[in-house]
Amino acid sequence: DTEVTQTPKHLVMGMTNKKSLKCEQHMGHRAMYWYKQKAKKPPELMFVYSYEKLSINESVPSRFSPECPNSSLLNLHLHALQPEDSALYLCASSQDPPGGAGEKLFFGSGTQLSVL
Amino acid sequence: QKEVEQNSGPLSVPEGAIASLNCTYSDRGSQSFFWYRQYSGKSPELIMSIYSNGDKEDGRFTAQLNKASQYVSLLIRDSQPSDSATYLCAVNNAGNMLTFGGGTRLMVKP
Repeated sequence: DTEVTQTPKHLVMGMTNKKSLKCEQHMGHRAMYWYKQKAKKPPELMFVYSYEKLSINESVPSRFSPECPNSSLLNLHLHALQPEDSALYLCASSQDPPGGAGEKLFFGSGTQLSVL
Repeated sequence: QKEVEQNSGPLSVPEGAIASLNCTYSDRGSQSFFWYRQYSGKSPELIMSIYSNGDKEDGRFTAQLNKASQYVSLLIRDSQPSDSATYLCAVNNAGNMLTFGGGTRLMVKP
């Protein structure tokens, strides 16, 4: 299994809703990531989990809350989002944490989020 | 600030031609270099990685790295319309995160 699986593929939510994005990998990768990508822009790093612990938070607003229940799963909990948070949210994994030799990122298919 | 620069394009080439995509980076300590392909509305897909100076070939793709000039490029031979996509250059320092360039949009015309 060489895939990173993300659900849902599309999500529309209101500013008062609470929702969660889910990500799963079974490649035994030790690092998992959340990225945000706006149209015609490169991916922007949000969070990194290394060995199931949050290692990097790129000053992301608290309305985004990551969670890593185990080495294969990564969630992103969303609450009180703003319309400008509408974007493609990408999960990725790598064999090794950042800086390691196995740092190639494998991306999931993404969740296209629209906040109304 | 560590930067990775790419021409946003679009780069338009005829089918069958060689497409040449370029990327420059500012941090001399960079050690790992990657090219990702991203189709519109889809996620990035790793197509090449290169770690040492010189050329690395994989099928129709060749990555070229010149650390002295802080330059990495991707050549696509025999370009096909299905190669039309945005190509993202990504660069990593030991201990740091990947930094993505802004991407180059490639259009291959039949």
